[in-house]
Amino acid sequence: SQELEQSPQSLIVQEGKNLTINCTSSKTLYGLYWYKQKYGEGLIFLMMLQKGGEEKSHEKITAKLDEKKQQSSLHITASQPSHAGIYLCGADITKTSYDKVIFGPGTSLSVIP
Amino acid sequence: EPEVTQTPSHQVTQMGQEVILRCVPISNHLYFYWYRQILGQKVEFLVSFYNNEISEKSEIFDDQFSVERPDGSNFTLKIRSTKLEDSAMYFCASTVGQGQPQHFGDGTRLSIL
Repeated sequence: SQELEQSPQSLIVQEGKNLTINCTSSKTLYGLYWYKQKYGEGLIFLMMLQKGGEEKSHEKITAKLDEKKQQSSLHITASQPSHAGIYLCGADITKTSYDKVIFGPGTSLSVIP
Repeated sequence: EPEVTQTPSHQVTQMGQEVILRCVPISNHLYFYWYRQILGQKVEFLVSFYNNEISEKSEIFDDQFSVERPDGSNFTLKIRSTKLEDSAMYFCASTVGQGQPQHFGDGTRLSIL
């Protein structure tokens, strides 16, 4: 089974609508990262969450890490075409090592003007 | 804003040939990484590098792969004898310290013929 799963796999929303992307881990998350990737391009860092219950916001994007530290959600308010892309969650799942990040399969977001 | 730069953006190589992918991490960062993403698949960790040595590597990073930091700025990934299945996007990343977010380059698309 996958260590990190994301839902939904893809999402098409009308501009102005709110949306939520979920990331679920089979193991405790010691650090959770959200990245955005445009097709064929690099990963752009959005936010990092480390403590259970932590919530961070940047512009219209809010991310939360649940208390049990095995799930995170990314919420976009009043979506715009510029939000389109692939959203990846990445995680540290090994307490003794901060070296490698395990990535989820990604959620593809399309925003229709 | 400082960024990770990778060259070339696209590399086409005959199977069996050696290839070197180059990266210039962010200047004050101390930890360096290579990841790869096969078309349509997840981003996968290859190797991490700190204090001039490999700190962790994945099963993918076999004897055909090597990394080097030949001077104070470059970080390279070498594949000695390329195979068709090495075709992928290769991302370099760096971070200032453990538990901090990794910042990614735009990637090198490697195509093996």
